[in-house]
Amino acid sequence: DSGVTQTPKHLITATGQRVTLRCSPRSGDLSVYWYQQSLDQGLQFLIHYYNGEERAKGNILERFSAQQFPDLHSELNLSSLELGDSALYFCASSVDPAGYGYTFGSGTRLTVV
Amino acid sequence: KNEVEQSPQNLTAQEGEFITINCSYSVGISALHWLQQHPGGGIVSLFMLSSGKKKHGRLIATINIQEKHSSLHITASHPRDSAVYICAVRNNAGNMLTFGGGTRLMVKP
Repeated sequence: DSGVTQTPKHLITATGQRVTLRCSPRSGDLSVYWYQQSLDQGLQFLIHYYNGEERAKGNILERFSAQQFPDLHSELNLSSLELGDSALYFCASSVDPAGYGYTFGSGTRLTVV
Repeated sequence: KNEVEQSPQNLTAQEGEFITINCSYSVGISALHWLQQHPGGGIVSLFMLSSGKKKHGRLIATINIQEKHSSLHITASHPRDSAVYICAVRNNAGNMLTFGGGTRLMVKP
C-alpha cells in the first residue's frame, strides 16, 4: 500500500455520463497530481494542486475538472464522457510542489461504453 | 519528436542477465524519475535523480545532465523484474512530469 488511496478502482459507464474519481494523498503530502494513461497516448499529466490551489495544468480537456479540498483529498470530475476517455487515471502525491517523495495511487480504470 | 525518448521499446532477457534501459530528453528538467508499472497497472516510483547515480538493491540509475541522458540498470535480472519501466522528467518549475513511452521488459527463467 503506497499510502495514496484512489476510489473507485474500476468504473464502467455510458457515453455522455459524468463520473467523479477520488484521491486521498499520503498523510502529510500537500501536493496532488492527476495523470491519464490511455493505450494510444501513454501517460499524460492532467493537473496539479498544492494545498488547495491549482499549480499547473497539462493536457486536460474542458470537459474535465478537478479540485482539492481543505482536507487535501482531490476529486477529478469527467463529464460528457466519450469512448476515448476510457483509460487508467492515476493520482500521485508528494510533500511539496517540487515533487519530493513522489508516490502513485493504484489508479482508477474507467471504461466508457 | 517527443520530449522524452526511451529505448528499447521492448526487451527480452534471460534470467541473470544485466539489463540497461536508456532515456534521453530534450527539455530543461529539475529531476528525472524512473517508474515501474506491473501488469496489474500500479505504478511504483523507483528513483528520483537530479544528478549522479543512485542504487537500490539490484537497480542502479544514472543521469548525465550535460548530455540529457539517463540509464536504468538491472543487475542479475529475475522474472519478477518483468514490467514496464517508464522514464519521466520533471519540469523546471517542478510541478509536472512528462513521460517517455516506456520499455516493456520480459525476463525469462
